[in-house]
Amino acid sequence: RKEVEQDPGPFNVPEGATVAFNCTYSNSASQSFFWYRQDCRKEPKLLMSVYSSGNEDGRFTAQLNRASQYISLLIRDSKLSDSATYLCVVEGGSYIPTFGRGTSLIVHP
Amino acid sequence: GAGVSQSPSNKVTEKGKDVELRCDPISGHTALYWYRQSLGQGLEFLIYFQGNSAPDKSGLPSDRFSAERTGGSVSTLTIQRTQQEDSAVYLCASSWMEASDYTFGSGTRLTVV
Repeated sequence: RKEVEQDPGPFNVPEGATVAFNCTYSNSASQSFFWYRQDCRKEPKLLMSVYSSGNEDGRFTAQLNRASQYISLLIRDSKLSDSATYLCVVEGGSYIPTFGRGTSLIVHP
Repeated sequence: GAGVSQSPSNKVTEKGKDVELRCDPISGHTALYWYRQSLGQGLEFLIYFQGNSAPDKSGLPSDRFSAERTGGSVSTLTIQRTQQEDSAVYLCASSWMEASDYTFGSGTRLTVV
């Protein structure tokens, strides 16, 4: 089993749709979790941290399920500008973050 | 500077030549990471520096790869005798402390011809 797994997609959704991504991780000792966004030929940028209690930032909601070892990202009211690859990041106790391969999102008019 | 700075932004080199890639992290960030990303692939961990501790080199793919970090700040990744499979974007990231979020530089796109 890979350390961090994501559905590569692409998820193709219309503007205004709600879309959700999951990411599973294998190391139960993992402590820190993040979602990053990567645009084509650009560096990854932090979208949001994922806290045990869950967190929300505008249209974006992230949740952590430690029992089932996954994190999720929910995007409401999708915009064209949300089109990107979303990377799940898990820090497994060694202070070295492991990145998932990413989930591609395409929002169309 | 305000962000992580990497240079050069692009590098084309001939097979067999050595290359040096530079990363200048955010001031005050103690942790520094090197990753590489091949076209259409995920981020592959290479090496991790934390303060003055010995680096974690577990991700370096071969002994042709080495890195150093001088004075706890600037880092240089060196690839000796480059091969075509070394072609990728090399990304540097820094963080304030272990397990805090990571800020990436814009990367060095290396092409070995």
